[in-house]
Amino acid sequence: GAVVSQHPSWVICKSGTSVKIECRSLDFQATTMFWYRQFPKQSLMLMATSNEGSKATYEQGVEKDKFLINHASLTLSTLTVTSAHPEDSSFYICSASNTANTEAFFGQGTRLTVV
Amino acid sequence: DAKTTQPPSMDCAEGRAANLPCNHSTISGNEYVYWYRQIHSQGPQYIIHGLKNNETNEMASLIITEDRKSSTLILPHATLRDTAVYYCIVRVAGNDMRFGAGTRLTVKP
Repeated sequence: GAVVSQHPSWVICKSGTSVKIECRSLDFQATTMFWYRQFPKQSLMLMATSNEGSKATYEQGVEKDKFLINHASLTLSTLTVTSAHPEDSSFYICSASNTANTEAFFGQGTRLTVV
Repeated sequence: DAKTTQPPSMDCAEGRAANLPCNHSTISGNEYVYWYRQIHSQGPQYIIHGLKNNETNEMASLIITEDRKSSTLILPHATLRDTAVYYCIVRVAGNDMRFGAGTRLTVKP
């Protein structure tokens, strides 16, 4: 199947700083990418949908000014957690889908710990 | 997208077939049935998907009822490495993928 690479795999940052997470589709063009957050022992929660070249669509309750999403090319989307706080500590996962692909492929996830 | 209902947990003996059920009674005609699994601290792994017909690949088989209101994922010979949370999702191709609670499958020796 297609490969989606997420970087970094884990990051520890100080409270108040910003962290950028990258999501790349390695062997296909992703017109749409999705960002999820997963807290311990819970399921994945969709945060936002990003389409190449346009603004992301955020789910209700997700602060767009805190979680900045950029999808500047067909192979790269970034999620920046701004002014991170300990409650932002979570497992962040991206997925990529091309409408020609009926399946969505997921990155390996990024474990964010804010101290 | 339609919602799905799965049992919260299941056990299976190693080497036996694991049959994971999923109800999706409100599925619409253009929605596919997808199965993913998530092993601890990893991103979800695609398993299989189908629209109307039964499907089989190297990992599993997907049986979809004729009315499409339910499906079963079959792992023919479960191994300890198949222990994971399995998610059944219905989705229009290209739309976002929304996860329910899934089924925690534990394969026991």
